[in-house]
Amino acid sequence: DAGVIQSPRHEVTEMGQEVTLRCKPISGHNSLFWYRQTMMRGLELLIYFNNNVPIDDSGMPEDRFSAKMPNASFSTLKIQPSEPRDSAVYFCASSSGLAGVNEQFFGPGTRLTVL
Amino acid sequence: SQQGEEDPQALSIQEGENATMNCSYKTSINNLQWYRQNSGRGLVHLILIRSNEREKHSGRLRVTLDTSKKSSSLLITASRAADTASYFCATDTGGNTPLVFGKGTRLSVIA
Repeated sequence: DAGVIQSPRHEVTEMGQEVTLRCKPISGHNSLFWYRQTMMRGLELLIYFNNNVPIDDSGMPEDRFSAKMPNASFSTLKIQPSEPRDSAVYFCASSSGLAGVNEQFFGPGTRLTVL
Repeated sequence: SQQGEEDPQALSIQEGENATMNCSYKTSINNLQWYRQNSGRGLVHLILIRSNEREKHSGRLRVTLDTSKKSSSLLITASRAADTASYFCATDTGGNTPLVFGKGTRLSVIA
């Protein structure tokens, strides 16, 4: 298995531009998580899905952020419009959802820089 | 929000020595996990300990959990230069729930 796949790996954009981050979870996993990592705040959950349904989006900073999971093999995180304070590494993770098993498998992350 | 804190924030040891990292958390948990992150990379799962377990081993890793003190420790024995990374503890409240991470310990193993 290729593991969790994220694209792009690096994104540099200007303030005000739309940014779309993509994630392909491990096949067969039914939970998907978006986290953000910054020096100041560490690793924080943004949103997570179970069986393609958003369960908790309370971590999404504001209305500029949105996430979708149209099917079991694809999710997007969109920022529109982007701001310099959105600069961070964004991780996608998936887990199998088996009872009692909560090991999460992380993608390599997308390093976003908003100028 | 951060669940807890790792201690120390940074640790530098010689190759062959043991490294001990501690983690405290604030709320009730189902599982506590430890992850490793190499610079510029994603997180890699190391070990999971359930709330009804007190100690667990995996290779050179030993994890303890004290739910009465809401704390855990990760011991890496006979450290190697390749163990240089940041180590995070993460807690969850059951299957399919998000992880709440601590701030991490940066471990440097000097050859």
